[in-house]
Amino acid sequence: DQQVKQNSPSLSVQEGRISILNCDYTNSMFDYFLWYKKYPAEGPTFLISISSIKDKNEDGRFTVFLNKSAKHLSLHIVPSQPGDSAVYFCAAVNAGGTSYGKLTFGQGTILTVHP
Amino acid sequence: KAGVTQTPRYLIKTRGQQVTLSCSPISGHRSVSWYQQTPGQGLQFLFEYFSETQRNKGNFPGRFSGRQFSNSRSEMNVSTLELGDSALYLCASSPGTGFNSPLHFGNGTRLTVT
Repeated sequence: DQQVKQNSPSLSVQEGRISILNCDYTNSMFDYFLWYKKYPAEGPTFLISISSIKDKNEDGRFTVFLNKSAKHLSLHIVPSQPGDSAVYFCAAVNAGGTSYGKLTFGQGTILTVHP
Repeated sequence: KAGVTQTPRYLIKTRGQQVTLSCSPISGHRSVSWYQQTPGQGLQFLFEYFSETQRNKGNFPGRFSGRQFSNSRSEMNVSTLELGDSALYLCASSPGTGFNSPLHFGNGTRLTVT
């Protein structure tokens, strides 16, 4: 049972345009969501997160939107840069319990930003 | 601060053997989690250790085990290796008390089982 889904395996955008990566979840116990970026041969790097009490969080070029009723979140990157090309993972956790280390990840979306 | 360190970076083992992977967390972090990454399954949670105790466990067979030492360093062991165990094994650390810090990952150990 895939509790966190990233339905787009890949996304290709032009430099300077917006990249929108989507993620859906099914477990209503999830109350904290994170995005990680991963380059080949490296571990995932934390990008941005959002608590379920918010519907938007911004950090520079990165914005995460959360729609709890739809159990959907998205990551917007504006403007996209070639260095953003990587695999992006959405992750979810029940932060209210003791499962701090138990993230449930989506399968990732490969973002390619063309110069 | 130094990041999460995993050793070795690469391993090649034969089916039926066992393997031990090591992880040193960020200084001061008491929680260590292990994940398996495969092309088809993404990142799958294996287990989490906090203060030398297993706090959470994923859906993996008993061949996968781990432990944590008093200095928070952790080891993961896989016995009776199968071809399907070939994967990137990632370790992540966090303070572990209250969700005020995201997990910080190491660069992983690439295990190949032949």
